[in-house]
Amino acid sequence: QLLESGGSLVQPGGSLRLSCAASGFTFRNYAMTWVRQAPGKGLNWVASISGAGGSPYYADTVKGRFTISRDNSQNILFLQMNRLRVEDTATYYCAKDFLHGSYSEFWGQGTPVTVSS
Amino acid sequence: EILMTQSPATLSVSPGERATLSCRANETVGTNLVWYQQKPGQAPTLLVYGASTRAPRVPARFSGSGSGTEFTLTISSLQSEDFAVYYCQQYYNWPPRFTFGPGTKVDFK
Repeated sequence: QLLESGGSLVQPGGSLRLSCAASGFTFRNYAMTWVRQAPGKGLNWVASISGAGGSPYYADTVKGRFTISRDNSQNILFLQMNRLRVEDTATYYCAKDFLHGSYSEFWGQGTPVTVSS
Repeated sequence: EILMTQSPATLSVSPGERATLSCRANETVGTNLVWYQQKPGQAPTLLVYGASTRAPRVPARFSGSGSGTEFTLTISSLQSEDFAVYYCQQYYNWPPRFTFGPGTKVDFK
């Protein structure tokens, strides 16, 4: 199971940290990914990280503003989002990957982020 | 960036009918392609990986095919629970630069 939290309303230029609590599998053995979906729109990959916490990769639209990380002792995935823009408004999903650099096998239910003044 | 397109944007089908969804990449992705199903208000769920392998517990009426740049998801006999949006996604790039298609909405005719 994956349970996201931390989404809320934030002003442009602000920051937010999303969390994703994992259970039911050996968290440290799996790469993880964040994907977002703007209201009424399609899916967009945001970032991925290896099981050990290294090798983070980002979409160009968030590179330099967002940071993906994980705490394998607590089975939690994070997404630190800084310098937020209106266009970052979306539901953010965390997902368990089959392999690092591979597809996502299982998704959480998402947490909504609204960037607005 | 590998760009993914899907057609049609909307497919109107009656229960029991066959549905054929297409996905195209602007350059080869081999068989590094998945299909997801998303129902309203829910997270996507994995249907097919490796272009043609059904994910665990996915009904046999779902089948994927294709390689390179052209892919197809077929639902052999549509059930009421299959009305949803279907997305394809490539995972060919390294470092990862995953891209999704815009989706095909399968709705009730």
